[in-house]
Amino acid sequence: QSVVTQPPSASGTPGQRVTISCSGSSSNIGSNTVNWYQQLPGTAPKLLIYSNNQRPSGVPDRFSGSKSGTSASLAISGLQSEDEADYYCAAWEDSLSGPVFGGGTKLTVL
Amino acid sequence: EVQLVESGGGLVKPGGSLRLSCAASGFTFNTYTVNWVRQAPGKGLEWVSSISSRGNYIYYADSVKGRFSISRDNAKNSLFLQMTSLRVEDTAVYYCARQTGDDNYFDYWGQGTLITVSS
Repeated sequence: QSVVTQPPSASGTPGQRVTISCSGSSSNIGSNTVNWYQQLPGTAPKLLIYSNNQRPSGVPDRFSGSKSGTSASLAISGLQSEDEADYYCAAWEDSLSGPVFGGGTKLTVL
Repeated sequence: EVQLVESGGGLVKPGGSLRLSCAASGFTFNTYTVNWVRQAPGKGLEWVSSISSRGNYIYYADSVKGRFSISRDNAKNSLFLQMTSLRVEDTAVYYCARQTGDDNYFDYWGQGTLITVSS
């Protein structure tokens, strides 16, 4: 059971906007930035959002991130079928000297 | 192009040992902290271990502390994970990942190598 909590599933129809939440504590999200990773079926994770709301080069601006207190969220607007994937939030855990990952959210595009 | 290529996976019996390797290319390996992250079948991501650019700072998840040992060879642009006293619950795909930025995110990941611990 992860110390950072995400809903196990989310869904939306093409063109819709969906959000995925990520809840932690003062020792991880509350005191460090949040990163998001996208894992397409059968592939390695890929960095999607870093430092709460920054997009790496090549990531569409349909993806956005935000953080407030000990929670964060990932928003995907203009949902597309290729967005169907598992999404993980992560934040540095001070007591671990390493990151903690959320349990992951499986996004289904209906 | 940044590349991380893991190798060394396979089937091992409980209590056995295995050594994973990760070959890095396309960047100055000796200036980055690198990590191992694993994913059990059908499960989420779990950070395993990290090693700083010069190898002087090493950290482990509690679940592997005392059983796994991370190391690197900067001359050969390689990262290693020596795994001993393997347990069934260590079964997972193991990814190496480059850590970057002041905010400690993983910007590049390898394709992963599967370790199966079973009798």
